[in-house]
Amino acid sequence: NAGVTQTPKFRVLKTGQSMTLLCAQDMNHEYMYWYRQDPGMGLRLIHYSVGEGTTAKGEVPDGYNVSRLKKQNFLLGLESAAPSQTSVYFCASSYGGRGNSPLHFGNGTRLTVT
Amino acid sequence: LAKTTQPISMDSYEGQEVNITCSHNNIATNDYITWYQQFPSQGPRFIIQGYKTKVTNEVASLFIPADRKSSTLSLPRVSLSDTAVYYCLVLPGNMLTFGGGTRLMVKP
Repeated sequence: NAGVTQTPKFRVLKTGQSMTLLCAQDMNHEYMYWYRQDPGMGLRLIHYSVGEGTTAKGEVPDGYNVSRLKKQNFLLGLESAAPSQTSVYFCASSYGGRGNSPLHFGNGTRLTVT
Repeated sequence: LAKTTQPISMDSYEGQEVNITCSHNNIATNDYITWYQQFPSQGPRFIIQGYKTKVTNEVASLFIPADRKSSTLSLPRVSLSDTAVYYCLVLPGNMLTFGGGTRLMVKP
């Protein structure tokens, strides 16, 4: 099992450009999450999904959109990138939303917006 | 939502036992206490989880008192490779935000 796979690993964008980050999991998990981590900081939740076809806002959703068309994939989109979105983005998945369903993380996408 | 408080940083030496304490005064009845480890340029990795009393696995032990308002992660005989950031979370309460974690530095 690959677990949680994120593509791409690195990306540089100019201000105003758009891009999509892909997260794929092969654990048949229902829940998927997108976090961002700024230097020296903890992780903040952007959006999450509790199942195929559903999405919900997290703590810092502005400037991002998501889609969960297939259970195994969760896409994060930036329609018009801004320098404030320079960060490391982590995707995670879990079997359920209960406290005893720990999150499994990918290794991140490092995004720089110039 | 439950908020966790843990030391910002700790230093230790190889072979020592390290205990990292986390306080979570507002923990809810359905919350589980979960610890993650994060190395530079990697995603957080699940270490251990518990609800009450003591939990032990091949990596660590987790001690939780009866009131569940704090917990202690115990790493036995640390090595240089245990240098990392350790996050204490109560789930699902902490789903929105991971705190800054504890930066553990293991010295030779």
